[in-house]
Amino acid sequence: EAQVTQNPRYLITVTGKKLTVTCSQNMNHEYMSWYRQDPGLGLRQIYYSMNVEVTDKGDVPEGYKVSRKEKRNFPLILESPSPNQTSLYFCASSLWGRDGGYTFGSGTRLTVV
Amino acid sequence: GENVEQHPSTLSVQEGDSAVIKCTYSDSASNYFPWYKQELGKRPQLIIDIRSNVGEKKDQRIAVTLNKTAKHFSLHITETQPEDSAVYFCAATLTDKLIFGTGTRLQVFP
Repeated sequence: EAQVTQNPRYLITVTGKKLTVTCSQNMNHEYMSWYRQDPGLGLRQIYYSMNVEVTDKGDVPEGYKVSRKEKRNFPLILESPSPNQTSLYFCASSLWGRDGGYTFGSGTRLTVV
Repeated sequence: GENVEQHPSTLSVQEGDSAVIKCTYSDSASNYFPWYKQELGKRPQLIIDIRSNVGEKKDQRIAVTLNKTAKHFSLHITETQPEDSAVYFCAATLTDKLIFGTGTRLQVFP
C-alpha cells in the first residue's frame, strides 16, 4: 500500500531533550515536506526537500533540523525542544513536487513540558 | 509576503444545502491550487485541485473555480451530507513551497 509512515504518533517529552520524528514513504517521491498544525494557524511548512541531499527552509524552520540521506526517509530533528514546539506535525510527500497532490502521514502529536 | 487567506473560518449548513469556501492568494506567480479535507483526528487528504490554465473543475458534488485576475479561488460543495463535515484547507504554490490557508470548519446538520 502506498503510504507515508510517521513515528511516533504521540510523544511527550521534556524541554531540552533531543528527539527525532521519523518519516518514510514507499512511493519513490522526490519531494518531501514537514508541516506543523496549530489551531487557527493552519498548516505551516517547516522544511522541505526536493531530492536527496537537498533541503530548504519553509516558513517556520527555527528550532528544527532535517536530513535527506535517502529518497524514502526525511526525519525531523528537534535538538532542544521547547514548549512552543508543542504541536501536531505532519510529514508529506509528492511525486510532482510542490505542483502535485501531497500524501500526508498520520501525524505526530508532540507535547513538550 | 506569501499569503493565502481563507474564509469563513467556520460554516454551518443544513444537509442538502450548498457550501462555498473562498481563498485569496498574494502572488500572481502561483499556479497550482489544491484543496484538502481533514476529518477529526485524521490526516489532510486531497479532494480536488486546479491549475492556473483552467478556470473551473468539477468532481461529482465538489467544484473549484479560479479567478486569476482577482487572485482568488473557491470550493463549492453541493447537496451537502453529514459526512462532508470536516476542516477544509485551501493552498497555493509559490516557488518551491505549498502555502496553506488557515482552514474552514464545515458542519453539516441533518
